[in-house]
Amino acid sequence: GEDVEQSLFLSVREGDSSVINCTYTDSSSTYLYWYKQEPGAGLQLLTYIFSNMDMKQDQRLTVLLNKKDKHLSLRIADTQTGDSAIYFCAETDSTGTASKLTFGTGTRLQVTL
Amino acid sequence: EAGVVQSPRYKIIEKKQPVAFWCNPISGHNTLYWYLQNLGQGPELLIRYENEEAVDDSQLPKDRFSAERLKGVDSTLKIQPAELGDSAVYLCASSSPGLAGETGELFFGEGSRLTVL
Repeated sequence: GEDVEQSLFLSVREGDSSVINCTYTDSSSTYLYWYKQEPGAGLQLLTYIFSNMDMKQDQRLTVLLNKKDKHLSLRIADTQTGDSAIYFCAETDSTGTASKLTFGTGTRLQVTL
Repeated sequence: EAGVVQSPRYKIIEKKQPVAFWCNPISGHNTLYWYLQNLGQGPELLIRYENEEAVDDSQLPKDRFSAERLKGVDSTLKIQPAELGDSAVYLCASSSPGLAGETGELFFGEGSRLTVL
């Protein structure tokens, strides 16, 4: 079955870059996603990448995908205090629809002044 | 446009008591999901509805959990009787079929936090 793993915690200084890593096991995943969860709130989609891509950039966010190693990362440039949250990676199965999402355990990002 | 609305936000009950959660999805979203989020974990799918039909309930513990979406809009999730291990956040999400297929965007509510004593 699918299994998505993330490190639990990351602390960075404001203005630095943050890199959040994720490994997954289902090589047939069609899409991979990054969701953000702020305290007491639901999850919000940040960005996604199609499995035939190896990089996607969206403003301060850069997603890197290494399909060979089944490794996904999210880089946040110029990290701000408002970026403090829990970040979840998620994968679809081979059908490629969000109806079969498997979420990772989440990485808590703490941004310090 | 209103987002996904859930109630109650917080619920504290004693074990063996029943509890129900309500979800109102985004207008026009045919697909509705109930997820379970344990502390320090990612969400895990309990059940998915396409309109009023439960198309994936394989992860729903059917001995004590039940759900319904009678008119294909609002949904309720019920636990009876609740156990200590049911303490968690219950998240509702909705999506539009076209968007979900293309971007994987689920729209989540704020969740209902259940504490079973």
